[in-house]
Amino acid sequence: GDSVTQMEGPVTLSEEAFLTINCTYTATGYPSLFWYVQYPGEGLQLLLKATKADDKGSNKGFEATYRKETTSFHLEKGSVQVSDSAVYFCALSRMKTSYDKVIFGPGTSLSVIP
Amino acid sequence: SAVISQKPSRDICQRGTSLTIQCQVDSQVTMMFWYRQQPGQSLTLIATANQGSEATYESGFVIDKFPISRPNLTFSTLTVSNMSPEDSSIYLCSVGALANTEAFFGQGTRLTVV
Repeated sequence: GDSVTQMEGPVTLSEEAFLTINCTYTATGYPSLFWYVQYPGEGLQLLLKATKADDKGSNKGFEATYRKETTSFHLEKGSVQVSDSAVYFCALSRMKTSYDKVIFGPGTSLSVIP
Repeated sequence: SAVISQKPSRDICQRGTSLTIQCQVDSQVTMMFWYRQQPGQSLTLIATANQGSEATYESGFVIDKFPISRPNLTFSTLTVSNMSPEDSSIYLCSVGALANTEAFFGQGTRLTVV
């Protein structure tokens, strides 16, 4: 079945460091790919998305490119801030024409220290 | 977009009792999804709630423990039955992702079983 794998955390970085969180997926066809973020004590928020191969999703300085050949959707940010401390979930959904479930990776906890 | 109202937002319950969580969507949707997020874990799909038919449960989840109702296209309930401390989690309802849109989640119900 469909699944999402992402690098295990926790990840600790200094402010202004470069961030990469690796994500790979297993699915037939062309799923849509997402990164969700969960800040401490808050609900789940969509960070960015990509719906087809070679699409690049971006938001708040974060980027991820849909790589069909490597089945990957790695999250990157050039300079992290303390406010980026959160848990990040890579996810996929297979649906294109009607609503469908979202399958989540295990999550990666990020801590950014001043 | 879809706005999802979920209640209660949190509750503390005695073991052996049941809690019903309500989820209201501001638009008509065919399918609604219920997820569980155990402490420090990712989101796991419990079941898919279709209007007019019985819910479809994922492996490891059964109707006797998590009965679901879906009386119309904008509302669903999830009951956590005969609770034990292991049921302490955040429970979220969702309208799944449609192509070129995001998945929408309720704010979650934080359940603590004592």
